[in-house]
Amino acid sequence: FMLTQPHSVSESPGKTVTISCTRNSGSIAKYYVQWYQQRPGSSPTTVIYEDNQRPSGVPDRFSGSIDSSSNSASLTISGLKTEDEADYYCQSYDDNFWVFGGGTKLTVL
Amino acid sequence: QVQLQESGPGLVKPSETLSLTCVVAGYSITSGYYWGWVRQAPGKGLQWIGHMYHSGTVYYDPSLRSRVTISVDTSRNQFSLKVTSVTAADTAVYYCARLGVIGGRFNYWGQGTLVTVSS
Repeated sequence: FMLTQPHSVSESPGKTVTISCTRNSGSIAKYYVQWYQQRPGSSPTTVIYEDNQRPSGVPDRFSGSIDSSSNSASLTISGLKTEDEADYYCQSYDDNFWVFGGGTKLTVL
Repeated sequence: QVQLQESGPGLVKPSETLSLTCVVAGYSITSGYYWGWVRQAPGKGLQWIGHMYHSGTVYYDPSLRSRVTISVDTSRNQFSLKVTSVTAADTAVYYCARLGVIGGRFNYWGQGTLVTVSS
C-alpha cells in the first residue's frame, strides 16, 4: 500500500494548517499512523504516534486524527510558529510492510 | 537514555556491498522492540528498508528484499545492514532505528550516516 501526502503547504504564523495522509488500500483505522517532523540535517522526531498521541515534550498545538470515510489521517498544527517549518512524514504499516508517506514541506511565512 | 549510532564506509563502489552497523547504548536489544533501517536519498523522502526482532523474525521492503540482509549481534548489542550489488540509486543517508512491536512507531533514531555509491 501507499501513503499519499501533499508535496507542500504554507501558512502564516499564528494560523492553523492541516496535512493529510491518504492510504490507498487497506483500512486506515486498522493500523496506527505516526507523524514525524524532520528539520534539515536532522533525524526525524515523532510529533504524533498511534493516530493521535503526543510524545512528552511535543506541544499540544500538534494533533492527529483519523477519518475512515476518506481513509486518511491528518496532522493539524495550530498557532503556527516559524520553528514548525520542517518536513513532515506520515508512517503506517500492515502485517508485513511498513511505509512512509512522501513527505510534506511546511513553510511558515 | 537509548542511543543508536551508525558506522560504516561513506563510499562504496558500484556493484559492491554496502555494510553498516548500528551500536545500541542504554537498552538491551534482547529486551524487546524491533531494530531496523530507514534510508533517505538526497533531497528525497524516507524509505523503510527493513527490521528484525532479536529472535530472528525479519521484515524487508519487497523492492529491496533480494539485496538486503539485516542481522543482530546480541553479544555486542548491535545490528547490521548489508545491501548487495549497489548502484548510484542506493546513495542515501542511512538511519538505524528502534521500532515498537505494538503501534509500529520508530521511537528512537540514530543520527544517520551518508553512504555514497560511486567509482
